[in-house]
Amino acid sequence: GAGVSQSPSNKVTEKGKDVELRCDPISGHTALYWYRQRLGQGLEFLIYFQGNSAPDKSGLPSDRFSAERTGESVSTLTIQRTQQEDSAVYLCASSGEWVQETQYFGPGTRLLVL
Amino acid sequence: SQQGEEDPQALSIQEGENATMNCSYKTSINNLQWYRQNSGRGLVHLILIRSNEREKHSGRLRVTLDTSKKSSSLLITASRAADTASYFCATDARGNNRLAFGKGNQVVVIP
Repeated sequence: GAGVSQSPSNKVTEKGKDVELRCDPISGHTALYWYRQRLGQGLEFLIYFQGNSAPDKSGLPSDRFSAERTGESVSTLTIQRTQQEDSAVYLCASSGEWVQETQYFGPGTRLLVL
Repeated sequence: SQQGEEDPQALSIQEGENATMNCSYKTSINNLQWYRQNSGRGLVHLILIRSNEREKHSGRLRVTLDTSKKSSSLLITASRAADTASYFCATDARGNNRLAFGKGNQVVVIP
């Protein structure tokens, strides 16, 4: 079956512009995660959606970052007024209901802010 | 603070040798997982070991877990060039609703 997909694969933008990143999780997966990975670094948790529960936004680094998810489907991560330090790979993962379960990752979106 | 922190090493080995990397964490966990990442893209799940398990095998992979020391190791036996990647451990702290990933170990297997 299809895995997690993300779009775009790469995004180059100018400082101050808004960007929107998309994630399509595996069908049936109730949990969806967004992570940020700076060059040579580990994964930084951003936000977690689980079914219809209120999302865990505790990892969002500033109010310029927001994310939405409609039901158990597509999610979008929006970064407003991008800064150069936002340059990173943004990874999305989905899983079943329990946090202990395996997470399935998309290929990521590589964002470069000039 | 982030759980699941690998020993900060970059490992370079010859094809056919074994590669070992370690991970330590700080709080009680339900399980620990290892993931592989090629070329800075999506991570691929390798193996999951539960807190009541001490050792687990999957193909050429061997994972150990020592909950008393809050540490885990990943052994790749008979390494291949295709094993060149970054390896991350991830833990789920009890009472938390997310995995915490370590910083990763970069492994280079020289043909």
